[in-house]
Amino acid sequence: DVKVTQSSRYLVKRTGEKVFLECVQDMDHENMFWYRQDPGLGLRLIYFSYDVKMKEKGDIPEGYSVSREKKERFSLILESASTNQTSMYLCASRPQGPGQPQHFGDGTRLSIL
Amino acid sequence: GQNIDQPTEMTATEGAIVQINCTYQTSGFNGLFWYQQHAGEAPTFLSYNVLDGLEEKGRFSSFLSRSKGYSYLLLKELQMKDSASYLCAVPTGFQKLVFGTGTRLLVSP
Repeated sequence: DVKVTQSSRYLVKRTGEKVFLECVQDMDHENMFWYRQDPGLGLRLIYFSYDVKMKEKGDIPEGYSVSREKKERFSLILESASTNQTSMYLCASRPQGPGQPQHFGDGTRLSIL
Repeated sequence: GQNIDQPTEMTATEGAIVQINCTYQTSGFNGLFWYQQHAGEAPTFLSYNVLDGLEEKGRFSSFLSRSKGYSYLLLKELQMKDSASYLCAVPTGFQKLVFGTGTRLLVSP
């Protein structure tokens, strides 16, 4: 079974802090994704990566950056956290090829105070 | 671009059948996914349709009509544990998925 592990289930930070959210997958998937999920807005893509050191902006990249130094790990960075970044953050991975589903981690509920 | 529409909420009774609809508009079609998400949990993959017709997987079936830009998820013999959100998603060029906002299904006794 595919395992996508996010480092924290719950996290509380203060405005202005630099925040790191970590995601690790154990299935050698090429593609990894970071989403945020907010009520009424659904899942929105922040960034994704299709290979080590490669990244692409999603629909809402502002205020975020990412890092993929190793194939199994994809980090989301909030450069200077703001209260409007309070959300549920979900990481996903998938292999190459059409029809391959994304596999999600359990999510990190992040609160910015 | 892509646009996906799903009803926001549905209710049904235990043991009944429910159909959750999804309409989509895409610039190019590469299949359609359905995911289930229980409250506070991660989405889990249910089905993938790329050809027209009905695909059955136990109590859950998924239907696709490419000409109509339409899909539905059919849940039979509803159980309380089926109370969840159901997300419809279509791939865009380059590995990404665009998700609908999801349909919250409430199953009552």
